[in-house]
Amino acid sequence: QKEVEQDPGPLSVPEGAIVSLNCTYSNSAFQYFMWYRQYSRKGPELLMYTYSSGNKEDGRFTAQVDKSSKYISLFIRDSQPSDSATYLCAMSAISNTGKLIFGQGTTLQVKP
Amino acid sequence: NAGVTQTPKFRILKIGQSMTLQCTQDMNHNYMYWYRQDPGMGLKLIYYSVGAGITDKGEVPNGYNVSRSTTEDFPLRLELAAPSQTSVYFCASSYSTPGSQPQHFGDGTRLSIL
Repeated sequence: QKEVEQDPGPLSVPEGAIVSLNCTYSNSAFQYFMWYRQYSRKGPELLMYTYSSGNKEDGRFTAQVDKSSKYISLFIRDSQPSDSATYLCAMSAISNTGKLIFGQGTTLQVKP
Repeated sequence: NAGVTQTPKFRILKIGQSMTLQCTQDMNHNYMYWYRQDPGMGLKLIYYSVGAGITDKGEVPNGYNVSRSTTEDFPLRLELAAPSQTSVYFCASSYSTPGSQPQHFGDGTRLSIL
């Protein structure tokens, strides 16, 4: 069983739709949860960061963490064509090495 | 503000050749990482460094070597290239552990072994 599972998609939605991206994990030691966005032929860039459980909102983006279910989500409201990218979840335990475990990434296309 | 710079952007190697992928950051970050990304597989950690002179293996270190003689540079060496090393390689850095500070990524080196 992989430590982090993410549906690779691809996911195609019309402009303006609400998008839900999800990851499950198996390691209960994970405390830091991140979402990275990766455009084609570019490196990942940090989109959202959450420590432990709870919700975090930033503009059209909302990140949720449910540690009891070992499940994290990223919601995108009013999706735009510029949101078309691959979204990677990543997580880590408290440690002095900073190692992240990434999901496989979900490819999203928002059609005008 | 350059951030993390990787060179070259593209490279084709023959089986058995060697090469060094360069990575430089100008943010004075202590932590640096090398990942490979294969289609549909996410990012796998190859090697990491928590400071100059200190390196350690990640999840998939076989066939690779690293060194960290300065804070800024973290080159990745491929010895005896094999087709299984065809991938996109990303270098990343962070000021502290990613729990409190994000990892900043370069734009990658696309490597094909033929």
